[in-house]
Amino acid sequence: EAGVTQFPSHSVIEKGQTVTLRCDPISGHDNLYWYRRVMGKEIKFLLHFVKESKQDESGMPNNRFLAERTGGTYSTLKVQPAELEDSGVYFCASRSGHDYGYTFGSGTRLTVV
Amino acid sequence: AQSVSQHNHHVILSEAASLELGCNYSYGGTVNLFWYVQYPGQHLQLLLKYFSGDPLVKGIKGFEAEFIKSKFSFNLRKPSVQWSDTAEYFCAASTSGTYKYIFGTGTRLKVLA
Repeated sequence: EAGVTQFPSHSVIEKGQTVTLRCDPISGHDNLYWYRRVMGKEIKFLLHFVKESKQDESGMPNNRFLAERTGGTYSTLKVQPAELEDSGVYFCASRSGHDYGYTFGSGTRLTVV
Repeated sequence: AQSVSQHNHHVILSEAASLELGCNYSYGGTVNLFWYVQYPGQHLQLLLKYFSGDPLVKGIKGFEAEFIKSKFSFNLRKPSVQWSDTAEYFCAASTSGTYKYIFGTGTRLKVLA
């Protein structure tokens, strides 16, 4: 089966600009997660979708971050406006309802300059 | 607060050496535990997981981990490492019944040929 796809793989933007990250989960996986790793720190939970609904968005840092999941398929994470501290690697993962383990994407490395 | 600690941030070993990476967690209640690996340029992959039962868990590529409840530990082991085990290793935990992970900060392993 195809894995979790994220793009772009790298993005360099200026402070104040907008960036949209995209995640295509494994087909049929209702659960989709976003995580972020700031350099040198642990990978931290951002939010969880079940189909198109936000199940848990307790990890979203602030209202500059907006996540959507259209029709329960792919998801986007928009950062607007981007700040320097938003730099890091953004991971997406998906999971079927029958498994505790995630399948991760390769991540998007975001650099805000 | 719930947390996962990985005390070894960087480990360098020669091929054929034995490996043990420490992971301690701080959780109330029943916990599910995981080890993930990220090889250079690749996505996070599940090595092994523990939910219940036999505290010695065997995973892929010859890795194993032992859950010691009294020590709140879930250390990763491999009797003989190979150059191809060079990667970053992440310990993660979730509360039973949820699927949201808390990760440790990761351990970078370098195996010298």
